[in-house]
Amino acid sequence: GQQLNQSPQSMFIQEGEDVSMNCTSSSIFNTWLWYKQEPGEGPVLLIALYKAGELTSNGRLTAQFGITRKDSFLNISASIPSDVGIYFCAGIGDKIIFGKGTRLHILP
Amino acid sequence: DTGVSQNPRHKITKRGQNVTFRCDPISEHNRLYWYRQTLGQGPEFLTYFQNEAQLEKSRLLSDRFSAERPKGSFSTLEIQRTEQGDSAMYLCASSSFGQIYEQYFGPGTRLTVT
Repeated sequence: GQQLNQSPQSMFIQEGEDVSMNCTSSSIFNTWLWYKQEPGEGPVLLIALYKAGELTSNGRLTAQFGITRKDSFLNISASIPSDVGIYFCAGIGDKIIFGKGTRLHILP
Repeated sequence: DTGVSQNPRHKITKRGQNVTFRCDPISEHNRLYWYRQTLGQGPEFLTYFQNEAQLEKSRLLSDRFSAERPKGSFSTLEIQRTEQGDSAMYLCASSSFGQIYEQYFGPGTRLTVT
């Protein structure tokens, strides 16, 4: 079945650093979504991407829909403590599939 | 607060009991989705409604699970004869007719089956 490989699984960074994470699949998707989830809460939608090659920003977050339609990338610039959480990608084709998440930790 | 709401937030039940969860979507959203999330995993799709019609069910949704959305507004998810493997976070999401792919999630109901 369809699967998303999200990497890295976790990241430990210093405040102020930039962050990059990605999702890849062997399947083609028509839409990519990026969510952030904090403990005990539901995922919060960050960015939606609808077209191959599309680059979309939301504040310090930038996401790209890969040109092959099989991958997507999320970058966070100048990380701050409130960026801590789990970031999920989701690909939508004939079904919606979520990755397993990237856990972002910020070192004091 | 006009976001998606879910009740209860936490439920502890004994194996074999039935439980029911409620989801109230964003008021103008006509699509409503249920997901299950276990520790260390992303949400897994269970089922979705467009208005009151249940249009798709995942094979994860066993016969013990049933979902309803009788008036096209709130939805309920019932699990009969709960098993320990049902312990998970149950998430509800909704989306609008114009932007069906942008799903907005509620805070979830954490189910623990003892």
